[in-house]
Amino acid sequence: DGGITQSPKYLFRKEGQNVTLSCEQNLNHDAMYWYRQDPGQGLRLIYYSQIVNDFQKGDIAEGYSVSREKKESFPLTVTSAQKNPTAFYLCASSMRGLLNEQFFGPGTRLTVL
Amino acid sequence: EDQVTQSPEALRLQEGESSSLNCSYTVSGLRGLFWYRQDPGKGPEFLFTLYSAGEEKEKERLKATLTKKESFLHITAPKPEDSATYLCAVLLRGSQGNLIFGKGTKLSVKP
Repeated sequence: DGGITQSPKYLFRKEGQNVTLSCEQNLNHDAMYWYRQDPGQGLRLIYYSQIVNDFQKGDIAEGYSVSREKKESFPLTVTSAQKNPTAFYLCASSMRGLLNEQFFGPGTRLTVL
Repeated sequence: EDQVTQSPEALRLQEGESSSLNCSYTVSGLRGLFWYRQDPGKGPEFLFTLYSAGEEKEKERLKATLTKKESFLHITAPKPEDSATYLCAVLLRGSQGNLIFGKGTKLSVKP
């Protein structure tokens, strides 16, 4: 079964703690993306990566970090510097090439207490 | 500033009552427009990609169209299982694949 997996589905953390969200895909896609979704707002891009060992900041990268050591994996770390981390986080992937549609994972809901 | 606006924010239909959702965009240059469906608590599901004005695509009860300023998602004879939030996103010329999303239209279809 090909697809994108995100884990965990729900995550609770105390304020001030760093937390890492997992995203794995077995679609052989080159590009991967992280979005954040808040109630009443559109999806906003955090980071994206077109190839292994390379990634770029999106519109709201402050307080987040990523790595892309393997083609299949693109973990996102939410650091203590992110002022409002509670949100629904979505990972997506696509074939390389600008006209290829992005496919999304099931999401991780992060709640910071 | 590049913007994507979806209307209405919410739409309630009776089963079988056809309607349209709107996605208007003001962008520096459009490479493509994407429609997604999102169920509560889940990731968006890809529906359509449109690349040029005049293009149309269909899937079951859904039909997407594109003009130079907006896109419509037409829903013909909807069923309760069509209830979801429908998201529109644009890909800009010169971008590296990052999409700009609208806020979505929440569709409810009552039996």
